[in-house]
Amino acid sequence: DSGVTQTPKHLITATGQRVTLRCSPRSGDLSVYWYQQSLDQGLQFLIQYYNGEERAKGNILERFSAQQFPDLHSELNLSSLELGDSALYFCASSVVRGELFFGEGSRLTVL
Amino acid sequence: GESVGLHLPTLSVQEGDNSIINCAYSNSASDYFIWYKQESGKGPQFIIDIRSNMDKRQGQRVTVLLNKTVKHLSLQIAATQPGDSAVYFCASRGDTSGTYKYIFGTGTRLKVLA
Repeated sequence: DSGVTQTPKHLITATGQRVTLRCSPRSGDLSVYWYQQSLDQGLQFLIQYYNGEERAKGNILERFSAQQFPDLHSELNLSSLELGDSALYFCASSVVRGELFFGEGSRLTVL
Repeated sequence: GESVGLHLPTLSVQEGDNSIINCAYSNSASDYFIWYKQESGKGPQFIIDIRSNMDKRQGQRVTVLLNKTVKHLSLQIAATQPGDSAVYFCASRGDTSGTYKYIFGTGTRLKVLA
């Protein structure tokens, strides 16, 4: 158990819909990262937050947004969903100079 | 740029043999490197890390080698076991405008043959 909690574990929705994925980082970790992993592919960096502020952006679509709240949990919002958005979405947290600890992921299926 | 999505290369190894998984990184300013193991349907798990001021680090049955000259990282697994079957990713960390950014390699699927 990495200490990073992601909900929901599985989510099935239709094209055009909007979903919110939630992440609770490890206790004490201020940084939260979001990654997308499509079937049998690598981890694509989406966005990073540090103590409530956006710090870095990767290949995140304009239809996607995220935020980190004062209690340090983070949410990734995916809107106008397309079939190609079906993927595993991982959240990771870290201390400032340490390794990333990953959650178990949220599997999104868009039908 | 970021990790590119490609079909995963596969390494098949006989149980008991040693495995070597390779990774290339692009940012010569990367200062920290990590190997992760990802089992099917699970999140990546930390295996071992190495900082750029080292060229070798050993853990339990695993060794990471870093060659900064050619920007290459390898993971060696001794006496490979069936439980080692998974996808392995390397990650490199670089400082971009004061932000630490972790870039992942494409991953290698390790299959352990009985």
